[in-house]
Amino acid sequence: KQEVTQIPAALSVPEGENLVLNCSFTDSAIYNLQWFRQDPGKGLTSLLLIQSSQREQTSGRLNASLDKSSGRSTLYIAASQPGDSATYLCAVRTGANNLFFGTGTRLTVIP
Amino acid sequence: NAGVTQTPKFQVLKTGQSMTLQCAQDMNHEYMSWYRQDPGMGLRLIHYSVGAGITDQGEVPNGYNVSRSTTEDFPLRLLSAAPSQTSVYFCASSYPSSTGLYTEAFFGQGTRLTVV
Repeated sequence: KQEVTQIPAALSVPEGENLVLNCSFTDSAIYNLQWFRQDPGKGLTSLLLIQSSQREQTSGRLNASLDKSSGRSTLYIAASQPGDSATYLCAVRTGANNLFFGTGTRLTVIP
Repeated sequence: NAGVTQTPKFQVLKTGQSMTLQCAQDMNHEYMSWYRQDPGMGLRLIHYSVGAGITDQGEVPNGYNVSRSTTEDFPLRLLSAAPSQTSVYFCASSYPSSTGLYTEAFFGQGTRLTVV
């Protein structure tokens, strides 16, 4: 069974710092990997989708990389802002309708 | 654009009661699914559907039923609520692109259910 791990579970950084969130998965047979943001009491907002054939995707201050063979992905956030404070989830797709999720990294950006 | 809409947002049930969580999407997505989110466990798949009239079980299906009579709607039924079903429930949709790749999954805002 696919297992997804996110380290660290929580992270606090001062505003303006660049940071990296990590995601690892045990089975490299994935179709894609998706990063989400979840604010307290809210739903999941999609940030970036990386297909299995791709190495990275960028959106604004966010850059996600994928190394499928080693089962790793990173989400790089540049010049962090207090508004970036949220829980970040990664999920790998293994089939038509199955996403396996990590438990998330709770990010706090301190003004 | 509405996207994926879930109702209700909050619900309190007594043990043994039944209810239906509603999910509707207006993006004409073929794939829809239900997840539950529990502290420290991540989101887990309950049931999913790859099109109208087709449903299947996910990782944690016990105590839940689904049906898919239209492309837009995918309700989740709790047959006899138990305290172990206290959770946040999310509905998601996506579709296979013309290139055969899977698209991003879109999620609703969730239903926070408490069973007492």
